[in-house]
This record gives sequence, C-alpha cells and structure tokens, in this order.
Amino acid sequence: DQQVKQNSPSLSVQEGRISILNCDYTNSMFDYFLWYKKYPAEGPTFLISISSIKDKNEDGRFTVFLNKSAKHLSLHIVPSQPGDSAVYFCAAPRSGAGSYQLTFGKGTKLSVIP
Amino acid sequence: DAGITQSPRYKITETGRQVTLMCHQTWSHSYMFWYRQDLGHGLRLIYYSAAADITDKGEVPDGYVVSRSKTENFPLTLESATRSQTSVYFCASSDIHRGNIQYFGAGTRLSVL
Repeated sequence: DQQVKQNSPSLSVQEGRISILNCDYTNSMFDYFLWYKKYPAEGPTFLISISSIKDKNEDGRFTVFLNKSAKHLSLHIVPSQPGDSAVYFCAAPRSGAGSYQLTFGKGTKLSVIP
Repeated sequence: DAGITQSPRYKITETGRQVTLMCHQTWSHSYMFWYRQDLGHGLRLIYYSAAADITDKGEVPDGYVVSRSKTENFPLTLESATRSQTSVYFCASSDIHRGNIQYFGAGTRLSVL
C-alpha cells in the first residue's frame, strides 16, 4: 500500500514558467515532508521540507505548500530553469519507532524546455 | 573526500553469484539505509541500520543481507543474485540531530544476467 503518491510520472514546462509538482499521502499521522531532486546517474539530493505545523515553506525559487485537510502537498518552482530538469521525489518519515525511515513517492520527471 | 561513497558504480554479474555492494560515509551518521530504484516503483527501502551492529528489514529485504560492524560502513550482499535484482542501488545516511534528512550516495547500477 503506497502511502505517498505522485500521480504524474512526467511534466513538461517552458523555461521561465511555473512548475507545479504534486504529491498526495494517505497516512494522517505523517507530520513532516521532504522533496528530493535526482539527476541521471546521481543520487537524490535533499531540496526542501515542510512540517505539518506550517502550510508553506519557501527557499529561493522553490516553495512547498501543504494542505493537511486534503492530504496533499505541492512543490512550486518559479521561474523554471533548464537545470531544474530532473526527477523529483516527495517523501515522508514513517510514524512511530521507525520514524527515521522515509517512504518515497514514485517520482515525477520534470522537463524544462528552453 | 568527505561524504558518502558507493562502490562499485557499475557491476555486471551472473545469476546465482554472490555480490557485495559497498557503502562508506565519513560523517559518523548514526543511521544508514539501502534502497533500490526501479522504473515504476520509485525508491524502496531494503534494509536500514540505526547504529553499529543494529540492522532491520525494510520494505523489500528478501534476497539481501547487510552488516554494520563499523559506523562508517554498511555493505549490502546479494547472496545468490537473481535477474529481478537488476536495479540501481542507493545507500543513504542521516544524523539524528538533523531529523529525517537523508544524504545519498551516487548509486550502484547492478545488472544480473
């Protein structure tokens, strides 16, 4: 049972426009979320996170929004740049004693077209 | 160099052979993890370790063995490789003082023929 879902396998956006990547979760116990970025032939790198006590967290061009009632979060990239082309994973720590484990979505491949 | 390194980066082996993938981190992080990435599945946790000599199963542990005799090393062994274990394997580590942020190695691409 996948507890973190990224329903869009891919997304194409023009350079300079906004990219919106979506993530849904099923476990209402999740209280912290992370986004990772992955380039080909490299490991994932941490991008941005959000705690459930907030509904927004911003870091430069990257903003994550959390809608707890809808169990939905989204990553906004404004403006999008060709270097943002990568696979983006959302993740959440499993609750309870195994909280240092992360459960990942399947990822969304973003292509930013020059 | 500081960080988390995996070796080898690429490995081709045959069905039935034993293979060990290495992972080394220089941060003295308590937690270490092994994931596999497959098309359509994202990242799935194989095994993790909370400290030296403490390991536990993740989501897909069958066919794999881990050990952690030293904090900095966390090798993953495929005891008898199968074609279904063809995948990209990532090692990661995290520090209890930085919450749940995990830092990943560059990965090992394994092909089992």
